[in-house]
Amino acid sequence: EDKVVQSPLSLVVHEGDTVTLNCSYEVTNFRSLLWYKQEKKAPTFLFMLTSSGIEKKSGRLSSILDKKELFSILNITATQTGDSAVYLCAVFLNAGNNRKLIWGLGTSLAVNP
Amino acid sequence: DSGVTQTPKHLITATGQRVTLRCSPRSGDLSVYWYQQSLDQGLQFLIQYYNGEERAKGNILERFSAQQFPDLHSELNLSSLELGDSALYFCASSVAGDAYEQYFGPGTRLTVT
Repeated sequence: EDKVVQSPLSLVVHEGDTVTLNCSYEVTNFRSLLWYKQEKKAPTFLFMLTSSGIEKKSGRLSSILDKKELFSILNITATQTGDSAVYLCAVFLNAGNNRKLIWGLGTSLAVNP
Repeated sequence: DSGVTQTPKHLITATGQRVTLRCSPRSGDLSVYWYQQSLDQGLQFLIQYYNGEERAKGNILERFSAQQFPDLHSELNLSSLELGDSALYFCASSVAGDAYEQYFGPGTRLTVT
């Protein structure tokens, strides 16, 4: 069964800390991995990763994919209270007519001042 | 504002009833995705349409159906509603048929009493 597992489930840090969120997957016909941030509304897109070892960066956020070990990490440096959110990881599978997105349950991050 | 609109914002209905949720994708986007998000299940992919045709199917119940119309808006029909169907239903859209960057609507909160 295809699955995406995120860890930790929940994380509380102080402003300025660096955090690493994990997403591991066991799927067939992997196509891409996506990270989203969800505050008290709809998820917003962060990164899409398709190739191993190529880091994607956006400000204080960065992400990398390891297709051999089947995981991705999302790093947030110098965290701010505005980073408090649920971070979702999803894997897109594509095998001919069988396409689907499998989502993890998310990591809830709380950044305290 | 992602450019994806969903109506209604909130919906309260009784068990056994049928409801229709509506989604208008961003201008130029051909794909529409439907998701269900509940507290205990996380974000669940239901179904995707691309340019009017069903493209991918996730964990959509037989009591649920969807379609995408020629003007690319989409409707999700939920029938014989049960208490467990209470959730936030998101619609997302993307330009392409494969799940790249998706833009999420604000969601419809369905409460079944």
